[in-house]
Amino acid sequence: NAGVTQTPKFQVLKTGQSMTLQCAQDMNHEYMSWYRQDPGMGLRLIHYSVGAGITDQGEVPNGYNVSRSTTEDFPLRLLSAAPSQTSVYFCASSSSTTGRYGYTFGSGTRLTVV
Amino acid sequence: SQKIEQNSEALNIQEGKTATLTCNYTNYSPAYLQWYRQDPGRGPVFLLLIRENEKEKRKERLKVTFDTTLKQSLFHITASQPADSATYLCALTDNAGNNRKLIWGLGTSLAVNP
Repeated sequence: NAGVTQTPKFQVLKTGQSMTLQCAQDMNHEYMSWYRQDPGMGLRLIHYSVGAGITDQGEVPNGYNVSRSTTEDFPLRLLSAAPSQTSVYFCASSSSTTGRYGYTFGSGTRLTVV
Repeated sequence: SQKIEQNSEALNIQEGKTATLTCNYTNYSPAYLQWYRQDPGRGPVFLLLIRENEKEKRKERLKVTFDTTLKQSLFHITASQPADSATYLCALTDNAGNNRKLIWGLGTSLAVNP
């Protein structure tokens, strides 16, 4: 049982480049989400999904797109990378759309934009 | 304004003692409050969840209390071990059960000295 798998683990981008952070879970969780974690800011929600075909914005959605074509996958796309998007990104999933069973996190992607 | 606060100073304790971490919140009506452990370079790991109508929850050496009058949750690790050294995060879901409203504290670093 792999849980939540994120790839890549590390990435360096130049300003203006685009890329996709991958997230996959094998627990049949309906709820999936993307967070970024920055020193002094804590975890902030970027986008989330309550099921295939359904996505919504979180607290800091600007500059990011998501889609949810399957229950298992929830990729995060950076459209035009900016230095302000340098951060650690975590994907999290849950069997409950209300969070009453906690969340399972991936191991993260450390992104640097130069 | 809404706020969730954890001790910003690192907590250092001796092996075998009980560690107590605090999570305070203001201007929320939380439905659930959760505690996570995060090790350097890793994603948060879910530990315990307590509901608004529960006073206490236990799991092995871990205990969480929830006082909605004081707007505070305490997280206890009894018989602490060096392996318990990590950052501990609290997070709460507001009464609407809306995942977009999952709010995270910045975490408290715990060091257990042998």
